[in-house]
Amino acid sequence: ETGVTQSPTHLIKTRGQQVTLRCSSQSGHNTVSWYQQALGQGPQFIFQYYREEENGRGNFPPRFSGLQFPNYSSELNVNALELDDSALYLCASSLRRPGGVSDTQYFGPGTRLTVL
Amino acid sequence: LAKTTQPISMDSYEGQEVNITCSHNNIATNDYITWYQQFPSQGPRFIIQGYKTKVTNEVASLFIPADRKSSTLSLPRVSLSDTAVYYCLVGTGGFKTIFGAGTRLFVKA
Repeated sequence: ETGVTQSPTHLIKTRGQQVTLRCSSQSGHNTVSWYQQALGQGPQFIFQYYREEENGRGNFPPRFSGLQFPNYSSELNVNALELDDSALYLCASSLRRPGGVSDTQYFGPGTRLTVL
Repeated sequence: LAKTTQPISMDSYEGQEVNITCSHNNIATNDYITWYQQFPSQGPRFIIQGYKTKVTNEVASLFIPADRKSSTLSLPRVSLSDTAVYYCLVGTGGFKTIFGAGTRLFVKA
């Protein structure tokens, strides 16, 4: 059983650019959630994808978007990067069962994004 | 969505038992209580999850009173490597999960 993986590990961008972060879910999981974690704070929920559709969204602007693919891997896209977007971006996968309840989330190692 | 309240930080010494209590007064009937551990620049790592009474695994115990408005994570005989941030979450798993600021545990030699 493989765990959640994310790429790249680190990334440096400049303000106004666009970035794509990638996540491979743990084997057998069908749900992916993305979080942003600023330095010294807890992770903040961005959105969740289930069966290739967005299934809920936190308080993030539309320039944060995502995709989930048939193999349940996922991408997080951020357009028009701002300095405050500098953070650790975490992906978590889980298995959503019939009835809507999801099992425990398992997190990837994260991607450290720095916006200059 | 139930919010949680935890101490901001705790100090301990190697070999001691550490208990971290989390308050979740608005926990819903279907909510589970989950604890994660996070080291700097790493993703949170699942520690333990429970619904009521007591749950124990190889690394921790989780105590939940009958009213479920709080829970206590117990780490037996901590070591220096247990220095981390510990998060308490309540919910039905994933959807709009709310992380608080967590508890920073510092284990001293």
